[in-house]
Amino acid sequence: DSGVTQTPKHLITATGQRVTLRCSPRSGDLSVYWYQQSLDQGLQFLIQYYNGEERAKGNILERFSAQQFPDLHSELNLSSLELGDSALYFCASSEGDSPYEQYFGPGTRLTVT
Amino acid sequence: EDQVTQSPEALRLQEGESSSLNCSYTVSGLRGLFWYRQDPGKGPEFLFTLYSAGEEKEKERLKATLTKKESFLHITAPKPEDSATYLCAVQALGANNLFFGTGTRLTVIP
Repeated sequence: DSGVTQTPKHLITATGQRVTLRCSPRSGDLSVYWYQQSLDQGLQFLIQYYNGEERAKGNILERFSAQQFPDLHSELNLSSLELGDSALYFCASSEGDSPYEQYFGPGTRLTVT
Repeated sequence: EDQVTQSPEALRLQEGESSSLNCSYTVSGLRGLFWYRQDPGKGPEFLFTLYSAGEEKEKERLKATLTKKESFLHITAPKPEDSATYLCAVQALGANNLFFGTGTRLTVIP
């Protein structure tokens, strides 16, 4: 158990819908990272927050957004969902601003039908 | 553009048969190279970070090494519980994110 929690574990929704994925980092970790893992593309970095502020942005679509709250939990919002958004979404946390020794959560499996 | 290539894509070993996994990388300047283990349906688990050429790190049956262009993950006398996908990732200088390879899926047969 990495200490990072993600909810829900599974999510099935229809195209065009909007969903919110939630992540709670390990106690004491200030950074949260979001990744998307699909079969054909591997693990893709989406976005990082550090102590409530956006720090780095990767291949995140405009339909996706994230935020980190004062209690350090983070939410990833996915809207206007398409079939291609079906994937595993992982959250990871680290103590500082750097991705050194990231701890990953168990992931949320999103299926868009 | 950062690039990480892992080989082979899949590897089947008999229990006790040692081997190595390769991670070749292209990055403007390397801040760190990371190895993770991922079991099916689970999040990646951190194994090692390497920072400079010549550096080596060990954990149980695993040893990671780093050169200026590639890293190797050596597995000595593997056991079935070592079966997993091993992911390599790089962090470029000035970047806050990791760039992952697509992994090597290792199967150790009893």
